[in-house]
Amino acid sequence: NAGVTQTPKFQVLKTGQSMTLQCAQDMNHEYMSWYRQDPGMGLRLIHYSVGAGITDQGEVPNGYNVSRSTTEDFPLRLLSAAPSQTSVYFCASRQSSNQPQHFGDGTRLSIL
Amino acid sequence: AQSVTQLGSHVSVSEGALVLLRCNYSSSVPPYLFWYVQYPNQGLQLLLKYTSAATLVKGINGFEAEFKKSETSFHLTKPSAHMSDAAEYFCAVGRGGADGLTFGKGTHLIIQP
Repeated sequence: NAGVTQTPKFQVLKTGQSMTLQCAQDMNHEYMSWYRQDPGMGLRLIHYSVGAGITDQGEVPNGYNVSRSTTEDFPLRLLSAAPSQTSVYFCASRQSSNQPQHFGDGTRLSIL
Repeated sequence: AQSVTQLGSHVSVSEGALVLLRCNYSSSVPPYLFWYVQYPNQGLQLLLKYTSAATLVKGINGFEAEFKKSETSFHLTKPSAHMSDAAEYFCAVGRGGADGLTFGKGTHLIIQP
């Protein structure tokens, strides 16, 4: 059982480039979320989804887009990368709203 | 709105000593509370959760936490620290809504030999 799988694990981008961070879960969870982790800031919610076709903004959504075409996949897109988006990104899923989240291993992203 | 405050960005204890990591929360509705642990270069692993059943919650690796509504606290404890406990610990609160959890800023636990 793979759980939550994130790819790539590491990425370096130049300012202005775009890219997609992939997230897939095999637990048939309806709820999925994207967080970014910065030193001393904890984890902050970027976007979340409660099922295929349904997404909403979290605390820090600017500069990011998401879509949820299937239950399994929840990709995060950076439209035009900025140095302020240098961070570690975590995808998480959970079975229902009051259940704990299962996290992927993260994507470490550097924007030069 | 909900928020989490973890007192102490770094906590240092001797091996074999008591571990106490503090977490206070605010929530407009009865909260769901979680503690997660993060080892270097890894994702977050669930230690334990409180979801309105018993106020004393036992988790993995000998950790436990007590929910105190009057103090709005959910402190994490372990009677005897082990070197392998060195990690970052996060307290998180949820309200049972569709959005994700609100996390504290984390406490880095250092174990002195």
